[in-house]
Amino acid sequence: GQSLEQPSEVTAVEGAIVQINCTYQTSGFYGLSWYQQHDGGAPTFLSYNALDGLEETGRFSSFLSRSDSYGYLLLQELQMKDSASYFCAVRKNQGGKLIFGQGTELSVKP
Amino acid sequence: DGGITQSPKYLFRKEGQNVTLSCEQNLNHDAMYWYRQDPGQGLRLIYYSQIVNDFQKGDIAEGYSVSREKKESFPLTVTSAQKNPTAFYLCASSHHSATNEKLFFGSGTQLSVL
Repeated sequence: GQSLEQPSEVTAVEGAIVQINCTYQTSGFYGLSWYQQHDGGAPTFLSYNALDGLEETGRFSSFLSRSDSYGYLLLQELQMKDSASYFCAVRKNQGGKLIFGQGTELSVKP
Repeated sequence: DGGITQSPKYLFRKEGQNVTLSCEQNLNHDAMYWYRQDPGQGLRLIYYSQIVNDFQKGDIAEGYSVSREKKESFPLTVTSAQKNPTAFYLCASSHHSATNEKLFFGSGTQLSVL
C-alpha cells in the first residue's frame, strides 16, 4: 500500500515559525513536493525535494530524509495570509502519478 | 496569459445523468491529471495522461471516464455509475522535463447533485 501522514491541524501566531511534518510509505519514491491551498482555491506549488537536505525559498523551507521516509515544511515569519491547507505529495517515479497527503490546516492567529 | 482553465465553476447533476467537466491548458504540458477533493480531505487521483491518446486510471477511476485527443484538452465525464459525485474537481498539468515536476492546477469545478 501507500500512505502519507501529516497532522490535520496546526495553530501558530503571527511572526512565529511552524513546522509541518510528513511521513510516507510508498512502493517507489522519486520526490516530495509541498502545495498550499487557500479555502476554495486551487493548490499552488511551494517546493520540491528529490535529495536529502534542506531547500530554501524565501520564508519557506522544505527538508527531506529519504532514509527516514520523512520530510517537513518550515514556514518562518508567519503572516495571516499563510493561513491555508498544506499538502505533501509523493511522486513514485519520473512522470508517474502524484499521491497527496490529507493536508494540514494551518491557522495563523494575531 | 498561459494557464490551465476549468469550466464550469459550478455544475449540477441530476439523477442518472452524465456530465462533462472541461479542462484546457495552453502551457504545452505533456501530462494532465484529474483529482477529486472532498471537504477537509486531500486530493485523490481519478485519471492521468502522460501523452496524447493515452491515459491511466488513478486510485478512484470507477464511475469516471476521460479522453485525451488533443494535447491541450483533458475532459472528465462523471457518469451515472458514480453514486457519490458531489465534490470539488481539480485538473492539473505538468511538464515531464521539469526537474521539480511541478503541477499547475486549474481553479476547480464544484459538482453537486440535485
